Order: sequence, then structure tokens, then C-alpha cells
Amino acid sequence: RKEVEQDPGPFNVPEGATVAFNCTYSNSASQSFFWYRQDCRKEPKLLMSVYSSGNEDGRFTAQLNRASQYISLLIRDSKLSDSATYLCVVNDNNDMRFGAGTRLTVKP
Amino acid sequence: DAGVIQSPRHEVTEMGQEVTLRCKPISGHNSLFWYRQTMMRGLELLIYFNNNVPIDDSGMPEDRFSAKMPNASFSTLKIQPSEPRDSAVYFCASSFGSSGGTDTQYFGPGTRLTVL
Repeated sequence: RKEVEQDPGPFNVPEGATVAFNCTYSNSASQSFFWYRQDCRKEPKLLMSVYSSGNEDGRFTAQLNRASQYISLLIRDSKLSDSATYLCVVNDNNDMRFGAGTRLTVKP
Repeated sequence: DAGVIQSPRHEVTEMGQEVTLRCKPISGHNSLFWYRQTMMRGLELLIYFNNNVPIDDSGMPEDRFSAKMPNASFSTLKIQPSEPRDSAVYFCASSFGSSGGTDTQYFGPGTRLTVL
């Protein structure tokens, strides 16, 4: 079983749609969680950290469910510029584990 | 402020040759990470340094791979001898903090390595 699992997609959605990604992790002792965004042929960039209480940054909402060991990312009112691959990242004993990524394409 | 700098951006070499990838972390950051990304395996941590000291190299695939950090502003990842299966994008990332994994990591643009 992979340590961090994501639905690879692709998710193809129209502009303005709401889209949600989930990610599950295997180590219940994992300490911190992040969502990174990676554009085609570019480096990953931090999108947001994920806190136990859930957190929001504009159109983006991240949630953590420790009991079920999953993390989610919700994007509201999606824009063309949101098209990218979204990587779920779990800090596992000072070792950052990346999911394979979920590809999102937002279409006009 | 300049971000993480990596060189070269692209490298094409023949099997058996030595390859050296270079990284300059963000000034003031004290943790540095080397990752490899392929379609098959995604993004994998190879090794990370904290205050120039290797902390965890369990991700280094085999003895052909070695990494050094002689000072706070420079690191190298060397593959000798290189093999076609080493073809990948190699990212360097840096962060500020003592935990190594919980602080925000900033990635360089990557080196795209092709071994023929």
C-alpha cells in the first residue's frame, strides 16, 4: 500500500465549478500536511498547509480528518489558471512523502 | 530574493558517464533536500541535509548516488556511473527550520536528466 494515495484524475471541469480532491495516508503518526501545486514542467510550489481545524485561503479550503487519515482540498469557482497537478504531502517522521498528484484541467 | 538555483537545467549524457547536479539554496535556509521525479514513481525524497549535515539518505537508490553539502550555500548530487533508469527530473528544495520536514520547502526549477 502506498504511503500517500491520491486519485490521479484527470479532473476536467468547466470554469466556475467546484472541485474536490481527496488524499489518504497510511501512517497515523504523521505530523503535518500540505497541498502543493505543480504546473506542467515546473517545480512544485506550496499551495497551503492543512491544519486540524481546517483552513481556508480564498477559494481554497483544506481539511484534515485524522481519524480516517485523509486530507481534502476544495476549490470553489475554479479558474482556468487553476489547471495544474495538485500534490498531497504528508510529513512522516521528518520525511516529506508526496502523493502522485491529481491533475486538474479547467476548461472555458 | 533569488529562489533555489539549480544547474544545469537540462543534461543529456550517455550511460556510464558521471553526472553532477548542483544546487544553491535560498540564503539563510538551513535545510536542503534532493528529490527525484518520474512518471512511474512520482516525487521521491533522496536525501536531506540540516546545517550541512546529511540527516536521512535512506532514499538514495544505490551506491552510484552520492550527495555533498560542503557549505551552507552549495550542494551537489552525483551519479557515477549513470544508467538510463536514472533519467528523471531532479529537484533541490530548501527550508528554514530545525525539523527538516515540517517547514515550508521551496523548490528549485529542477534538472531534467536524460541518460541515453
